[in-house]
Amino acid sequence: EADIYQTPRYLVIGTGKKITLECSQTMGHDKMYWYQQDPGMELHLIHYSYGVNSTEKGDLSSESTVSRIRTEHFPLTLESARPSHTSQYLCASSGGDRAVGANVLTFGAGSRLTVL
Amino acid sequence: QKEVEQNSGPLSVPEGAIASLNCTYSDRGSQSFFWYRQYSGKSPELIMFIYSNGDKEDGRFTAQLNKASQYVSLLIRDSQPSDSATYLCAVRGPNTGRRALTFGSGTRLQVQP
Repeated sequence: EADIYQTPRYLVIGTGKKITLECSQTMGHDKMYWYQQDPGMELHLIHYSYGVNSTEKGDLSSESTVSRIRTEHFPLTLESARPSHTSQYLCASSGGDRAVGANVLTFGAGSRLTVL
Repeated sequence: QKEVEQNSGPLSVPEGAIASLNCTYSDRGSQSFFWYRQYSGKSPELIMFIYSNGDKEDGRFTAQLNKASQYVSLLIRDSQPSDSATYLCAVRGPNTGRRALTFGSGTRLQVQP
């Protein structure tokens, strides 16, 4: 079944550690996104990619970095985690026929990060 | 001014009633509009999208778009307790090279049994 997967779902880590949040999709979508959402707050775009080797920063400044070496894979990395990075990170993808809504985002289940 | 504005709620309606959720957006060139539902602790899931002025119906849901007023709404008929969630309005701006969506902060809906 075509889907979008995020791991880990939950991560508690100490300050200064390097972390990578994984995101993979099997829908053949060319566009992928990372959003950050604090509890009860809106989603903020932090990174997006329109294809392999194409990445851009989003609206919200983030110390994280991303890479897109393969179409289906879009990992997010924090080199040195801090308590201010505590949040929910949501990966999404879009693509397909324009006539049926190429802008429709499909979200993964999310990765909830807590930095102590 | 936020790009996408929603009343945070909570909006409380009795079971079986019509719930009306509203959203305004600031960029007059915005091209497409989406409603997502997000249950607590879960990720957003698409309800429906609309591109053209007027109404679009899908089951118990109707999206209404008025580009002149920069206003989009979602009506939920015969509201059920399972509809209790946060409803996110999202907008795609005029930059044709960008497919990312800008989200509002959401309206929390409570359907009372």
